[in-house]
Formats: sequence, C-alpha cells, structure tokens
Amino acid sequence: EAGVAQSPRYKIIEKRQSVAFWCNPISGHATLYWYQQILGQGPKLLIQFQNNGVVDDSQLPKDRFSAERLKGVDSTLKIQPAKLEDSAVYLCASSFRFDGESVPEAFFGQGTRLTVV
Amino acid sequence: AQKVTQAQTEISVVEKEDVTLDCVYETRDTTYYLFWYKQPPSGELVFLIRRNSFDEQNEISGRYSWNFQKSTSSFNFTITASQVVDSAVYFCALSDAKGGGGSNYKLTFGKGTLLTVNP
Repeated sequence: EAGVAQSPRYKIIEKRQSVAFWCNPISGHATLYWYQQILGQGPKLLIQFQNNGVVDDSQLPKDRFSAERLKGVDSTLKIQPAKLEDSAVYLCASSFRFDGESVPEAFFGQGTRLTVV
Repeated sequence: AQKVTQAQTEISVVEKEDVTLDCVYETRDTTYYLFWYKQPPSGELVFLIRRNSFDEQNEISGRYSWNFQKSTSSFNFTITASQVVDSAVYFCALSDAKGGGGSNYKLTFGKGTLLTVNP
C-alpha cells in the first residue's frame, strides 16, 4: 500500500512570496490533516478535512494560510504571503474509517521543509 | 486543554542498552487515546502504537514495550537491546475520543525525545 505522498520535499522562498504544498493521502482514507512542525517542536494541527469538508481549522492562520480538498482526495495548502516564522516542516497525514467511524491514528507523509528567508 | 510533556530532550545510549522514554500527559477527558510515533531522519512520522484510556494493560511488541499508568498519567516507552536503527526522534501524543461521525480526532504532540544509539 502506497503511503502519503507530498511534494515538494524542500522549498526556499523569500518573505512575502507565496508557496503551495501538495498532498495525496493513502488510497481510501477519508480524513486528511495538515500539521506544522517547527524545528524542535512536535507537530501542530493546522486543518483537518473529512472527505472534502473542513472539520477543524481553528489553528489555521486564515489571514495567510488556506487549504482545499476539492474532490475529497488530494489537497493543497497555500501560504500567501509567507513570513519568516512560517519556516517549518509541513506534514500531511491521513486516516481511514472502519465500520463507519474514523480511527484515531494518522499516517504521515515525509513532509515539505519550508525555509523563508 | 490537553498537554503532553516529554521531559527528556535528548538521550544517548550504546547499542544493546535498554532505554525508556518518558511521557506524561494532561487531559480533562475521561476517554482518550495515547500514541507513540517515531520520526527518523527522513522526516516521516511512523505510527508505533495507540492505547485507549480504558485499557491499562501493558503491551510488548518485539523489542518495544509500553507502560500505561493512569494513576500517574504516564505512558512510557521502553526499547530493549537498542540498535543503531532505533536512532530517531520519538513523539508521544494524545487525542480525545470524540470521533464517531464527527471524525474530530486531533493529536496533541509532545516536543519529542531525540534518541541516539551509538555502535
């Protein structure tokens, strides 16, 4: 079974530029998450989708971050304009449903390392 | 609010030593889940285990074992006879159990423990 795919792996941009990250979850996984991991910290949830609907975006800085999952499969996360403090690894994860309910554990991709200079 | 504390920032051991990674959590929920993830240098978070709050039975999987103690809000992870390939950052995480149709599991992670196993 293929894992969660993310691209690009690395990205360097200047502050105030825009950037987009792409994620393709494990096939059949209805729930998709975007996490931000700042160096030396644990991942922090940015947004969670169930199919193509947003379940939780309470920690997403909506003035500059946006995310979509239009067809309920792959997803993009965008930052516009980027700030220096957005330098982090952006992790995408997915989880499946069993017997009509989501399972708690999430399966992660390798992440995109963003450096804002 | 939920909180996970991993007091050990870095641990260094020699191969074949046993090592225990500590995890202490805080939650007001009576039902919750606890997790351990491994993050090797490649960056991907690898799921290791999930425990339900109502199941305090300890678990062993090969060289890995987990000790869940509700009385002390701890969920510690022991690697027996460590190997160089065990070198990674290990994260403990906590989620409430409000899943179901709402599908609102949200992992709260600790800051991680960097384990280095030297040959």
